[in-house]
Amino acid sequence: GQNIDQPTEMTATEGAIVQINCTYQTSGFNGLFWYQQHAGEAPTFLSYNVLDGLEEKGRFSSFLSRSKGYSYLLLKELQMKDSASYLCAVRDNYGQNFVFGPGTRLSVLP
Amino acid sequence: GAVVSQHPSWVICKSGTSVKIECRSLDFQATTMFWYRQFPKQSLMLMATSNEGSKATYEQGVEKDKFLINHASLTLSTLTVTSAHPEDSSFYICSAREQIASNQPQHFGDGTRLSIL
Repeated sequence: GQNIDQPTEMTATEGAIVQINCTYQTSGFNGLFWYQQHAGEAPTFLSYNVLDGLEEKGRFSSFLSRSKGYSYLLLKELQMKDSASYLCAVRDNYGQNFVFGPGTRLSVLP
Repeated sequence: GAVVSQHPSWVICKSGTSVKIECRSLDFQATTMFWYRQFPKQSLMLMATSNEGSKATYEQGVEKDKFLINHASLTLSTLTVTSAHPEDSSFYICSAREQIASNQPQHFGDGTRLSIL
């Protein structure tokens, strides 16, 4: 079966660093994606990992460990606009479908 | 970059009405598109995979006769919610992926907020 787990909610302060974890157990693996979704809007793509290690993209970084079925999204220098839901998604072996995690609602406080 | 257009953004209609939602890939061809539904404060739930030129693949628990999917061209998929009822009120989102490289993410439309009175 497919199972992806993320914390439901997180709170952090403006200017701080926050790490959002994602663990997965899927029947296959062909890449892990992180998306940001503001309330009432569609998700927007943030990052992609298929090999172990860290991918950095400005204030956002994403890490993957395939052996542990684990990823995290790191957000630095938090801004108020970073308040959103962050979705972890795993693409299965067939390369077509994404399985989405439940999402983590991040609240950035002044 | 890849753009997916979804229309309409908002629909408010009476119970029993059928509603059609369009999803277009604007600058790439998509042999496969995906339809998701999202209830408030919940994650995306895949409803069905739309395949160009063939029947859609529905997820377990999704009624194919209620949620009609047509993928008539490489750039357009439509979802029709037939005889909609209040429990069908939700945020419907489509997505598509460029087929060129396996590392391409899914690109999402802006979503359609459906409210059935």
